[in-house]
Amino acid sequence: KAGVTQTPRYLIKTRGQQVTLSCSPISGHRSVSWYQQTPGQGLQFLFEYFSETQRNKGNFPGRFSGRQFSNSRSEMNVSTLELGDSALYLCASSPAGGGTDTQYFGPGTRLTVL
Amino acid sequence: TQLLEQSPQFLSIQEGENLTVYCNSSSVFSSLQWYRQEPGEGPVLLVTVVTGGEVKKLKRLTFQFGDARKDSSLHITAAQPGDTGLYLCAGRSSNTGKLIFGQGTTLQVKP
Repeated sequence: KAGVTQTPRYLIKTRGQQVTLSCSPISGHRSVSWYQQTPGQGLQFLFEYFSETQRNKGNFPGRFSGRQFSNSRSEMNVSTLELGDSALYLCASSPAGGGTDTQYFGPGTRLTVL
Repeated sequence: TQLLEQSPQFLSIQEGENLTVYCNSSSVFSSLQWYRQEPGEGPVLLVTVVTGGEVKKLKRLTFQFGDARKDSSLHITAAQPGDTGLYLCAGRSSNTGKLIFGQGTTLQVKP
């Protein structure tokens, strides 16, 4: 079974631009979660999607948004990029999400904002 | 806001030594997970503990969930260079269902 894939792996943007990151979950998984990882803040939860609906949301500004498609693939968008948005963005999929469901992480997208 | 504090943040030891990483909170979690992350990769789940007082072993790694489900520890016996990486604990909030991560412990095992 193929693992979680994320594209692109690396991205460089400038302040004020917007960016879209993509995540393809493991086949059959319906829950996709997104996390931001930085050296200072560690791994922080952004949001979770299940069956095309946002099921949970972290404490991030409205510039961060996401969506999930009928095939469970997910995208996250960050508008009006700020320097502080530079981070590793991780996507994780699981069969149903929540509880003791095992999350499988992708390799991440490294975003650098200049 | 539920927080998980990991200690120590950094650990550099010689091959063969034992070590313990702690994950503490003032909040109760319905479950707690430990992950290991290597450079350029996403975290990989090592174990999930659910019951207070639960102890799980994975080869040379021993995981324990506190009786009150507020803290956990990871003990590695006879560490090897292959154990090098970032160890993360993550608690599932009973209230929100969100997975909350600790800051991580960077472990370096020198041969």
